[in-house]
Amino acid sequence: SQQGEEDPQALSIQEGENATMNCSYKTSINNLQWYRQNSGRGLVHLILIRSNEREKHSGRLRVTLDTSKKSSSLLITASRAADTASYFCATGDTGRRALTFGSGTRLQVQP
Amino acid sequence: EAGVVQSPRYKIIEKKQPVAFWCNPISGHNTLYWYLQNLGQGPELLIRYENEEAVDDSQLPKDRFSAERLKGVDSTLKIQPAELGDSAVYLCASSLGADRWDEQFFGPGTRLTVL
Repeated sequence: SQQGEEDPQALSIQEGENATMNCSYKTSINNLQWYRQNSGRGLVHLILIRSNEREKHSGRLRVTLDTSKKSSSLLITASRAADTASYFCATGDTGRRALTFGSGTRLQVQP
Repeated sequence: EAGVVQSPRYKIIEKKQPVAFWCNPISGHNTLYWYLQNLGQGPELLIRYENEEAVDDSQLPKDRFSAERLKGVDSTLKIQPAELGDSAVYLCASSLGADRWDEQFFGPGTRLTVL
């Protein structure tokens, strides 16, 4: 079963624009992570934010977490064609020591 | 440092045939995971190993799926017999250990097509 739901399911933007993806989840979490998956490839870890953090930055990535609303957002600034991929949020369950993934946002960056 | 290695990358079989996937985790990583990813969906955990022990196999369909990690390093996931609905990507991941479970590294996956 999927824990998180990403919104939108698909996003198409022009190179240089910002891309924002949202993730909502259902249960209490220890952390939330974002992954990128290029077509036909494995998952690449982008960023992890813990439940006691509200915002985190890594390069062109900015992640926010609102535990009261059980939601997170991923912002990619100044997008590039190479950012074209599917982006997944995953919530960490301390009890199971497992990640539960959402269904992903498919981002297309037009050159 | 080598990443998580999986083989084969692609497999096409007919239904009712057996199939096996192999995973070699990052050296020193005690925890190994198998995930199933259906088309257009996120991965779902099938089984988690701590060394050679399967500590969470609650989502593994045990009537046809089996897995092993005999020496606590490499792992094999088997399906016998395969069904049409098993067509998916099977991902292997590893992490340093139980205390670092949230830092998982994924292999490229095996794409299975059942005809």
